[in-house]
Amino acid sequence: QVQLVESGGGLVKPGGSLRLSCAASGFTFSDYYMSWIRQAPGKGLEWVSYISSSGSTIYYADSVKGRFTISRDNAKNSLYLQMNSLRAEDTAVYYCARGVGDVWGQGTTVTVSS
Amino acid sequence: DIVMTQTPLSLSVTPGQPASISCKSSQSLLHSDGKTYLYWYLQKPGQSPQLLIYEVSSRFSGVPDRFSGSGSGTDFTLKISRVEAEDVGVYYCMQGIHLSITFGQGTRLEIK
Repeated sequence: QVQLVESGGGLVKPGGSLRLSCAASGFTFSDYYMSWIRQAPGKGLEWVSYISSSGSTIYYADSVKGRFTISRDNAKNSLYLQMNSLRAEDTAVYYCARGVGDVWGQGTTVTVSS
Repeated sequence: DIVMTQTPLSLSVTPGQPASISCKSSQSLLHSDGKTYLYWYLQKPGQSPQLLIYEVSSRFSGVPDRFSGSGSGTDFTLKISRVEAEDVGVYYCMQGIHLSITFGQGTRLEIK
C-alpha cells in the first residue's frame, strides 16, 4: 500500500544538526513532488520545504531558509531534510507528504533543547 | 506570503447537525491554468492530517459525501451536512497556488 515512513527525529541541542528521512513505498516516488510540513506542540501546521519530482525545483519557508536543506534520492525512494543550526522554535513533529498532501507519514519528533 | 484566515476557530456540533467552516485567503487562489488551489484537511486526534477536499470542491478518494467544499477567488467554505462522531478533530485549509504554501490556523470541531 501507499506509505510514507519518517525517521531520524530526536533530541538535539540548540545549534545542533539532524537529518530526517522519509521512505516511500507503494507508488512511483519519482513521479511526485514532495514536502516537509511540521507541527509545533499544540500548534497548527507549517509548511517547511518542497522539492519537485526531479529535484530541480526547491522552495523553503523563510523560517528555515539557509538552515535546512531538502533533497531526494529517487533510486532509493527517499526524501531527506538536513537541519542545521537548530533552534528551540524548530521543535515539532515533522511530516513528509506526497504532492498536495494526499499521503502523509506518521511524523517524526524533533526536540531542540539544552 | 498568502495569509489564510479560518473562522470559526472552534465549533461544537450536535451529531446529525450541519457544520460550516470559512477560509479566506489574502490573495486570489485562481491560477492562470484555470484551477483554484485550495485544499481542506482533517487532523483527527493523535493522527496525521488527511486530505478531504482538493481544488476547492473535489472530494478525495474515500471521503464521505457529507463533506463538501465551495467557493472561489479568496472565499471558501467547507460544509459537513450531518456531523458524525468520527468527524472530530482540527480542520485546516491550505493554499497551493504560491509555492510558499500556507495553512489556515485550524478549526477545532467537537461533538456536543
